[in-house]
Amino acid sequence: DAGVIQSPRHEVTEMGQEVTLRCKPISGHDYLFWYRQTMMRGLELLIYFNNNVPIDDSGMPEDRFSAKMPNASFSTLKIQPSEPRDSAVYFCASSSGLGTQYFGPGTRLLVL
Amino acid sequence: AQSVAQPEDQVNVAEGNPLTVKCTYSVSGNPYLFWYVQYPNRGLQFLLKYITGDNLVKGSYGFEAEFNKSQTSFHLKKPSALVSDSALYFCAVRGISGSARQLTFGSGTQLTVLP
Repeated sequence: DAGVIQSPRHEVTEMGQEVTLRCKPISGHDYLFWYRQTMMRGLELLIYFNNNVPIDDSGMPEDRFSAKMPNASFSTLKIQPSEPRDSAVYFCASSSGLGTQYFGPGTRLLVL
Repeated sequence: AQSVAQPEDQVNVAEGNPLTVKCTYSVSGNPYLFWYVQYPNRGLQFLLKYITGDNLVKGSYGFEAEFNKSQTSFHLKKPSALVSDSALYFCAVRGISGSARQLTFGSGTQLTVLP
């Protein structure tokens, strides 16, 4: 099993640019979660999907953030326009039902 | 709202000694409790979970955790620490209904095992 796959692993961009983070969940998992990790705020849930439908996006910080899940094997988190305060590690996780969540390796984003 | 507290930001222990990483929680109803470990520049890795049943849960890499309902605690333990156990440990709780069904994580405890 390949586990949760995220790309890119590292992203460096300039303020104002669009950033797209990608996630492939574990096959057969019906829940997908996007988290953000920073030193100041710890691990925060941004949004989660069930069967490709967004269930709770209350953690999305601003309208600059959007997430989609066009099918069961792919999700994107987009930031447009990006700002330096968006610099963080973004994790994707998936689960079968609301059981154990399995995390991807993360995308380390730096916005200059 | 549910919450998790990890009262120690940092725990240091000598190799071979027992280790404990503390966690207390608050949730309506019966909790689902989890421990995850994060190594540098890696994602979170599942260690163990408590859903129901025996209060002592055994997990990966020789770790175990004890669920104590009266103290609302779920401390992580290992009888003999290894240097390779040095990492960031997260406790998480999930309720069983509504918005409580999403995981809430603690702030993490950095464990350092000294050789």
